[in-house]
Amino acid sequence: QLQLQESGPGLVKPSETLSLTCTVSGGSISSSSYYWGWIRQPPGKGLEWIGTIYYSGSTYYNPSLKSRVTISVDTSKNQFSLKLTSVTAADTAVYYCARHVAAAGTRMIDYWGQGTLVTVSS
Amino acid sequence: QPVLTQSSSASASLGSSVKLTCTLSSGHSSYIIAWHQQQPGKAPRYLMKLEGSGSYNKGSGVPDRFSGSSSRADRYLTISNLQSEDEADYYCETWDSNSWVFGGGTKLTVL
Repeated sequence: QLQLQESGPGLVKPSETLSLTCTVSGGSISSSSYYWGWIRQPPGKGLEWIGTIYYSGSTYYNPSLKSRVTISVDTSKNQFSLKLTSVTAADTAVYYCARHVAAAGTRMIDYWGQGTLVTVSS
Repeated sequence: QPVLTQSSSASASLGSSVKLTCTLSSGHSSYIIAWHQQQPGKAPRYLMKLEGSGSYNKGSGVPDRFSGSSSRADRYLTISNLQSEDEADYYCETWDSNSWVFGGGTKLTVL
């Protein structure tokens, strides 16, 4: 059974960098059949796609966040990570990692992590 | 880049059926989407992939009460024999060559 687990600080100060890691178990992050992504959800609001990475290192970012986001993958640890720089209170959200299917014409999310709340506050 | 539009809320009675709609923006009416369910306080859960033809593939463990259909730019999620645990937010998702997008979500209330 595939599991994705987010980890990282729950509190980040304004202007600093938010860093999260997603550990994948029950499957290989190096599979060519999947992408790996980050999605966030501010309190009481909807889902926002942040970015996605392929095991090869190819990355795709939300244009609205692109200047502040870096997603990387560590295949040796079966993990992928998110860094979001210069955070403000507007970045307070539950952050989810997820798996996307990579098949012809199909790229939907088919597995979600449980999510981790990150609060930006001094 | 496609845009997905969903009604903000819907309600239906216990044991009845409800049909939720996700509408694709102009020029993207053929796109495949996915439906996700988010129960209160929980992470989203993948329900199904839904094609423009109306063909759908459900995720593991998704009850038979959930089905999908399509008409032009509209993608539907129908829940039959509504149960209390179906009270949740429902999001549609789609993608293009280098980005993903979610609809704003529909909050379903089971009366």
